Amino acid sequence: AQSVTQLGSHVSVSEGALVLLRCNYSSSVPPYLFWYVQYPNQGLQLLLKYTSAATLVKGINGFEAEFKKSETSFHLTKPSAHMSDAAEYFCAVSSYNQGGKLIFGQGTELSVKP
Amino acid sequence: KAGVTQTPRYLIKTRGQQVTLSCSPISGHRSVSWYQQTPGQGLQFLFEYFSETQRNKGNFPGRFSGRQFSNSRSEMNVSTLELGDSALYLCASSLGAEETQYFGPGTRLLVL
Repeated sequence: AQSVTQLGSHVSVSEGALVLLRCNYSSSVPPYLFWYVQYPNQGLQLLLKYTSAATLVKGINGFEAEFKKSETSFHLTKPSAHMSDAAEYFCAVSSYNQGGKLIFGQGTELSVKP
Repeated sequence: KAGVTQTPRYLIKTRGQQVTLSCSPISGHRSVSWYQQTPGQGLQFLFEYFSETQRNKGNFPGRFSGRQFSNSRSEMNVSTLELGDSALYLCASSLGAEETQYFGPGTRLLVL
């Protein structure tokens, strides 16, 4: 069975500081990994995805994530936080044999202080 | 290209009623997945349809059902509504099963 754990339900950073959101996964087969962002009263927007190509994945809005198989991690980072980054972030896992089924973590709410 | 659209955006129902939610995928996308989002349980997979066939189903009671039409539009139905069914229901579409899913804005259902 697949699962995702996001460490920290709430992360607060200052504007301009490094953003680090942690995600660990469990999967018995090679995983596909995703980060989505959700702004209030909206659906989910894809930030980036890993599908077994490069281990360092660059996404939109300056975010990137690194797949580390040995640590079963897929942490999301951004060098410099912006006020507009305040939102909820979800890590998700799927695989080739799961079809259209995404397993999501519980989410991390990111606050950005001026 | 237009994104995924969901109707209605907001819905209020009472216990025991039934409800139908609609999802129109991105043009050309043949796979539609549904998710329930609640504060307590987070995002949970309901089911996935591809070419009018349900290919995957989450761990929800039989009161939750869905279907997909030949134009890839999908509906989900919840019968005999319970208070715990209050949630944001999200639909996502993709070109195929292993392709990236793009989400709609959701339908917020409140059961009183």
